[in-house]
Amino acid sequence: DGGITQSPKYLFRKEGQNVTLSCEQNLNHDAMYWYRQDPGQGLRLIYYSQIVNDFQKGDIAEGYSVSREKKESFPLTVTSAQKNPTAFYLCASSIGQTNTEAFFGQGTRLTVV
Amino acid sequence: GENVEQHPSTLSVQEGDSAVIKCTYSDSASNYFPWYKQELGKRPQLIIDIRSNVGEKKDQRIAVTLNKTAKHFSLHITETQPEDSAVYFCAASESWGSGNTGKLIFGQGTTLQVKP
Repeated sequence: DGGITQSPKYLFRKEGQNVTLSCEQNLNHDAMYWYRQDPGQGLRLIYYSQIVNDFQKGDIAEGYSVSREKKESFPLTVTSAQKNPTAFYLCASSIGQTNTEAFFGQGTRLTVV
Repeated sequence: GENVEQHPSTLSVQEGDSAVIKCTYSDSASNYFPWYKQELGKRPQLIIDIRSNVGEKKDQRIAVTLNKTAKHFSLHITETQPEDSAVYFCAASESWGSGNTGKLIFGQGTTLQVKP
């Protein structure tokens, strides 16, 4: 069953702790993206990767880090430097090298407690 | 970089009426414009897209128009039904290669409510 999977669905973090959100795809897509969704602000781009071992900052990269060691995986770490981390995080992937449909994971809701 | 503005933020229509959502973009290098629908608690899913070499595209009750000169594009939903109620996002993407990144930038979203 092909698709893009995010885990966990819900995540609680204490202030000052780093936390890593998982994103895995078996669609053989080159491009992967992380978005943050807040009410009334749409989907804001955090980081994106066009190919393995390469990634670029999006519009709101401060306080986040990523890695792209494997084509299938694009984990996002929310660090303690992120001032307002409570949000809904969406991972997406697309074929890359051409503009085509981006497929989204089911999202991770992160809450800082 | 690219900036996408979407209006209105909320839209309420009566069942059977039409709904129109408008977006503007800033980067003239953008050439791909998808629209996504996100139902409550679910992931965004593509409903229609248009490329810069086309002015209009239609798929049953939904259509998208693109004006490259004015840098705006619109989603049109006709004969709306209660199941059309959702959040709709427009997006813009530049082409890949030649120094461009192909990244996908979204608008702020429009919450559409269709009243039965």
